[in-house]
Amino acid sequence: AQKVTQAQTEISVVEKEDVTLDCVYETRDTTYYLFWYKQPPSGELVFLIRRNSFDEQNEISGRYSWNFQKSTSSFNFTITASQVVDSAVYFCALSEAETSGSRLTFGEGTQLTVNP
Amino acid sequence: KAGVTQTPRYLIKTRGQQVTLSCSPISGHRSVSWYQQTPGQGLQFLFEYFSETQRNKGNFPGRFSGRQFSNSRSEMNVSTLELGDSALYLCASSLGQFNEQFFGPGTRLTVL
Repeated sequence: AQKVTQAQTEISVVEKEDVTLDCVYETRDTTYYLFWYKQPPSGELVFLIRRNSFDEQNEISGRYSWNFQKSTSSFNFTITASQVVDSAVYFCALSEAETSGSRLTFGEGTQLTVNP
Repeated sequence: KAGVTQTPRYLIKTRGQQVTLSCSPISGHRSVSWYQQTPGQGLQFLFEYFSETQRNKGNFPGRFSGRQFSNSRSEMNVSTLELGDSALYLCASSLGQFNEQFFGPGTRLTVL
């Protein structure tokens, strides 16, 4: 069973639009960690955020915000006022502390294109 | 602080050969993980090393192996290369088991 699902394969927006990337996860562990990474065309995965299963507070960092809802097993990522430099593939990942340690299980990624 | 470095960045091999990839973690990081990225399978976990011991292993055949040295640098080896091993191999380091992992630029391996 897919443990991390990113249903949006590709999203295209115009600069300054807000965009939300969806992530739904599946786990039986009570202790787990969720992550978002950005992969620009250069290929290197850039860490954006880490959230543990006991902290459901939403987080905002500049134009980025994350909404974690355990009730729906979702960890969505919103970019406000998108910019061309935000164009990249974004990955959501899960680490199940009890069953698989620090192994990251990634979703399939969402290709975001921000057009000028 | 320098980031995670990987060498070489690009590699071309032929079927049946073997290859060794190298990864130097961020200074102070003792955990090193390896991932394979392909268009068909996405990002998949290979293995993780901590203090020179393999702590976790993904579902890859025994042709894929790795090791970690006392200075936390890590190498992964793929023997008897197959066409399907063509991929971007990413190394990541972290302070501890559940801390965020920081990735290197990757080694792009092409098997002909």
